[in-house]
Amino acid sequence: GAGVSQSPSNKVTEKGKDVELRCDPISGHTALYWYRQSLGQGLEFLIYFQGNSAPDKSGLPSDRFSAERTGGSVSTLTIQRTQQEDSAVYLCASSLAGGGWETQYFGPGTRLLVL
Amino acid sequence: QKEVEQNSGPLSVPEGAIASLNCTYSDRGSQSFFWYRQYSGKSPELIMSIYSNGDKEDGRFTAQLNKASQYVSLLIRDSQPSDSATYLCAVRGSGRRALTFGSGTRLQVQP
Repeated sequence: GAGVSQSPSNKVTEKGKDVELRCDPISGHTALYWYRQSLGQGLEFLIYFQGNSAPDKSGLPSDRFSAERTGGSVSTLTIQRTQQEDSAVYLCASSLAGGGWETQYFGPGTRLLVL
Repeated sequence: QKEVEQNSGPLSVPEGAIASLNCTYSDRGSQSFFWYRQYSGKSPELIMSIYSNGDKEDGRFTAQLNKASQYVSLLIRDSQPSDSATYLCAVRGSGRRALTFGSGTRLQVQP
């Protein structure tokens, strides 16, 4: 079946602009995760959605970052007033039900460059 | 101290050799451990997962876990040039759903 999809694949924006990144998880997966990977770094957790539960926002670096998940499927990560340090690859992952043993499957990522 | 630590490398091994990748973690209550492979410009893909102390083998890959020492490793036997990539160690800590990743070890397999 189809894997996790993300759009756009690349995004170039100017400092101060808002951007929206989209993630479409694997069909049937109820858990969705957003991570950020800066150049040469490991992945940094941003936010986690599980079904209808309140999201775990503990990884969001500032209040400029927000995310929502509509209808338990597609998720949008919004970065307001972008800064150059926001430049990174934003990766979305999904898993079946968010269980501790489950594998997270990653999408191809959105490469964000803030000029 | 980082929550998950890996040597950044590069680790260079000749084709056919065994590559040994190591990872330590700080959360003693961590329950599940994963190795992801990431090719340059690509997203991570799962190689191995391990939950219990000891060894777990899958083809040319063996994951080893020692919870007492808070140490997890990945062995790649008969290394191939196509194994050249960055290997990310990921740990799911106690009470958490998201993974905590190390910064990765870059492996180079020389033909």
